[in-house]
Amino acid sequence: QSVLTQPPSASGTPGQRVTISCSGSNSNIGDNVVYWYQQLPGTAPKLLISMNNQRPSGVPDRFSGSKSGTSASLAISGLRSEDEADYYCAVWDDSLSGRVFGGGTKLTVL
Amino acid sequence: EVHLVESGGGLVQPGGSLRLSCAASGFIFSSSEMNWVRQAPGKGLEWVSYISESGTAIYYADSVRGRFTISRDNAKNSLYLQMNSLRAEDTAVYYCAEGWFGSWGQGTLVTVSS
Repeated sequence: QSVLTQPPSASGTPGQRVTISCSGSNSNIGDNVVYWYQQLPGTAPKLLISMNNQRPSGVPDRFSGSKSGTSASLAISGLRSEDEADYYCAVWDDSLSGRVFGGGTKLTVL
Repeated sequence: EVHLVESGGGLVQPGGSLRLSCAASGFIFSSSEMNWVRQAPGKGLEWVSYISESGTAIYYADSVRGRFTISRDNAKNSLYLQMNSLRAEDTAVYYCAEGWFGSWGQGTLVTVSS
């Protein structure tokens, strides 16, 4: 049971915009920056968003991140079939003195 | 290009030990924070341990503290995870990952079973 709560699943049709939430507390999201990762089936995860809303080189601008208070969100616009993957948020937790991942959200493109 | 290659996984009995290694190339290893992250079959990602560039700062997840030891050898561009008192619930693919998980290896499977 992670200290970061993500919906287990999300879905959308091609071209749609979907958002995935990550809910935490003052000791993690409320006080630290959030990162997002994409894990395609059978592969290692890939960094998608760093420091709340920064896209690493090579990540399409269809992906965006935001943070407000103790929650963060990943938005994917112009949904494509290749976006079907598991998505994870991660943050430092001051109380645990460690890094934590959300439980993950499986995105299905209908 | 960053390249991380894990090795050392395998089948081990409960209570046994295993040492994982991660060979790094393509970046300045001695200037990079490193981590171990694991993923049990069909489950999500779980951060296991962190080590700072020089090795002076080390953190562990509660689930492994006291049983696992992270270390690094900057002269050999290598990261290690010594795993003792292994349990069935430690069964997972173990990844090494750089920084805030900006780069990952392909993972090595650890199976704890009798």
